[in-house]
Amino acid sequence: QKEVEQDPGPLSVPEGAIVSLNCTYSNSAFQYFMWYRQYSRKGPELLMYTYSSGNKEDGRFTAQVDKSSKYISLFIRDSQPSDSATYLCAVGSSNTGKLIFGQGTTLQVKP
Amino acid sequence: EAGVAQSPRYKIIEKRQSVAFWCNPISGHATLYWYQQILGQGPKLLIQFQNNGVVDDSQLPKDRFSAERLKGVDSTLKIQPAKLEDSAVYLCASSLLRGQGVGEKLFFGSGTQLSVL
Repeated sequence: QKEVEQDPGPLSVPEGAIVSLNCTYSNSAFQYFMWYRQYSRKGPELLMYTYSSGNKEDGRFTAQVDKSSKYISLFIRDSQPSDSATYLCAVGSSNTGKLIFGQGTTLQVKP
Repeated sequence: EAGVAQSPRYKIIEKRQSVAFWCNPISGHATLYWYQQILGQGPKLLIQFQNNGVVDDSQLPKDRFSAERLKGVDSTLKIQPAKLEDSAVYLCASSLLRGQGVGEKLFFGSGTQLSVL
């Protein structure tokens, strides 16, 4: 079983749609949960960061962590064509000192 | 603020040849990482430096891969000899804090795309 699983997509939505991106993880010791966005031919950039459980909102983006289900989500409201990218979830724990990335979900927002 | 610089952007070599990648992290960042990203996969950590010391190289194929960080700043990653399965994007990242990387914001370069024929 992979430590982090993410549906690779691709996911195609019309402009203005609400997008839901998800990851599951296997190790309950993970404490850090991140979402990175990666545009084509670019390196990933940190989009959202959550420590432990709960929600975090930043503009059109909301990150949720459900530790009981080992499930993390990223919601994008009013999606824009500029949101078209690959979204990588990443999880980590201070015990292992490692950050593990999911395989990424490719999102395309059509005008 | 200047970002993480990597070169070259693209490299095409034949199997069994050697190749080297260069990375210049953001000024003042103590921690430097090399990641391998195979097409359709997430980045996988190869090696992590804190200043010029190795923190984690558990996933580095040491029979063919080597890396060094000069004077705690620039870093080079070398593959010798290359195999077909080494075709990937090699990403360099840096972080400011002096921790183990977990929970810290990573700043990535644009990567070097390596094709091994």
